[in-house]
Order: sequence, then C-alpha cells, then structure tokens
Amino acid sequence: NAGVMQNPRHLVRRRGQEARLRCSPMKGHSHVYWYRQLPEEGLKFMVYLQKENIIDESGMPKERFSAEFPKEGPSILRIQQVVRGDSAAYFCASSPMGAGFKNIQYFGAGTRLSVL
Amino acid sequence: DAKTTQPPSMDCAEGRAANLPCNHSTISGNEYVYWYRQIHSQGPQYIIHGLKNNETNEMASLIITEDRKSSTLILPHATLRDTAVYYCIVDSGNTGKLIFGQGTTLQVKP
Repeated sequence: NAGVMQNPRHLVRRRGQEARLRCSPMKGHSHVYWYRQLPEEGLKFMVYLQKENIIDESGMPKERFSAEFPKEGPSILRIQQVVRGDSAAYFCASSPMGAGFKNIQYFGAGTRLSVL
Repeated sequence: DAKTTQPPSMDCAEGRAANLPCNHSTISGNEYVYWYRQIHSQGPQYIIHGLKNNETNEMASLIITEDRKSSTLILPHATLRDTAVYYCIVDSGNTGKLIFGQGTTLQVKP
C-alpha cells in the first residue's frame, strides 16, 4: 500500500516563475492537507481539500497561491510568480476521514522548493 | 497557536526509555492527544493518539494523566533512528487541520 506520494521532491524556480507541486494521497483517502515549513521554522497549515472542494484555506497566502484536488488525479498546489520567500518544504498529508473524526494524517516526503 | 507546551530538547541514551512530556492544561473534553515526529528533512510521521486511557502500539506508549492536563510519550528502547522532533498536538478533529508547535528535539546518543 503506497504512502502519500509527492513530486517533485526538489524544485528549483527563478523569481517570477510558476511552481506546481503534486500530491497523490494514500489509496482510499479522499482528504488532503497541505503544510509549509519555512527554513528553521515549524509546520504551518495551508489548506484542506476534499475531492473537488476546498474545505479550509485559512492558512493560504491571499495572493499567488492556489490549490485544487480534482475528481481524478493528484492534488496540486500552485504558486504563481514565486519569490525568494516562498522557498520552503511543502508537505502534503492525507486522511481517510476528514473534519469531525479522529485526525490521523499521513504525510508525504515533501517537496523542497528553492527560488533563485 | 499550539495548545501544548513541550521542552525544546531532550537527550536519551541508546537502548534506554525516552519519556517525552507534554502539557495541555486547557484541553477540552472532546480533544484527543496526538503525537507525531519528524525525522530530519522527512515528512511528519504519526505515532499514537489517545483520549483519556493509556495507549500502546508497536511504536510507543502514551500515558495521559487522570485530569488530562498532561501526557507522556514513551519510547521504550530508544535507538539512534528515533532522533527526531516530536510534536504533541491536541485536537478535536472538527477542523481537519493540525496545529504544530515547536516540539521537542530528541537526541538519542550512543
């Protein structure tokens, strides 16, 4: 049973480019969460999605960031016009049940974004 | 903000038990205590959770005080691979998101 798969593992972008981070949840999981970990800082929640729905995006920066989890395919975290401050590790997690149930989340290995 | 307080760092000798404390004095009746860990540069890993009874699984044991205001994660025989940041999180599950604090950096030494 494959775990949460994130790709790419490492992503280098120049300022102003777009970054697309992908996350395939564990089989049978329909709830996906994105977290960001800035260098030397803790993990911060960004967004919680269920298939075709954004449930909570309270942790997402208001501009340039968007997320989706389509009916088919992986969840995508998209960062437009990247800046150096976006350099961080981005982790995706999935769970079989969402809000209202025990909150056991399974994390991927992360995508390390470096903005030059 | 995290609802838990943990010591920033701890050391443990290899082969000995590692006891990691966590204070959660404002925990609500419907909130669980969860423990995750993050080994350097990897994604967080779920360890164990509990509501009010003590719990044990293949990785660790969780001891929750009777008043539920604090808990202890026990790694019975720590190995070098247990060196990681350990996060104690209290959560009702109602929002879906996990709020991570600074955690405890556990260094297991040979």
